[in-house]
Amino acid sequence: GENVEQHPSTLSVQEGDSAVIKCTYSDSASNYFPWYKQELGKGPQLIIDIRSNVGEKKDQRIAVTLNKTAKHFSLHITETQPEDSAVYFCAASITGYSTLTFGKGTMLLVSP
Amino acid sequence: DVKVTQSSRYLVKRTGEKVFLECVQDMDHENMFWYRQDPGLGLRLIYFSYDVKMKEKGDIPEGYSVSREKKERFSLILESASTNQTSMYLCASSRGQGREKLFFGSGTQLSVL
Repeated sequence: GENVEQHPSTLSVQEGDSAVIKCTYSDSASNYFPWYKQELGKGPQLIIDIRSNVGEKKDQRIAVTLNKTAKHFSLHITETQPEDSAVYFCAASITGYSTLTFGKGTMLLVSP
Repeated sequence: DVKVTQSSRYLVKRTGEKVFLECVQDMDHENMFWYRQDPGLGLRLIYFSYDVKMKEKGDIPEGYSVSREKKERFSLILESASTNQTSMYLCASSRGQGREKLFFGSGTQLSVL
């Protein structure tokens, strides 16, 4: 089955800095890669996703990049703010065939 | 607004008890999921259901069962709770065959003593 590795497990940045979280996947057939944000006391919430026919996707301060050859994808957050502090999960799946396999999560701390 | 509601935020049970965790979604979603979240282990799929009365095992189904009698409701059952089932349990739902774009509930923190 699919295996998703996520790094780092914790990340501390100063407000205004950029943050990058990286994930690798094992199954070359995977074609859907979402990112979820989990704030304290809440369930994870989808913030951005990318499909394998696209190399990059942006939504305001958040971007995701995908390298299919290397089987890795990354979340980039620019101009970080304290409200970006949360646990972030990456995941991978094969559309219509498998359920999502999640990484172990990254705790992002943004200091004012 | 999309909503997945889990019946309890915190639950404390004794070893050997039968435990029911309830989840309701109001989005008419076909798919529903139960995940377990533990520090350092991420989100692990216990069971999922893609239709009423249908269920599929996830990665860690041992010690659990599920029930889906109505489209909007998905129950997780611990037949005989054990201390190693102390965890955060998250319910989620999604639309369609893609099983993507999960909507999560806020979770139930279960402690088994």
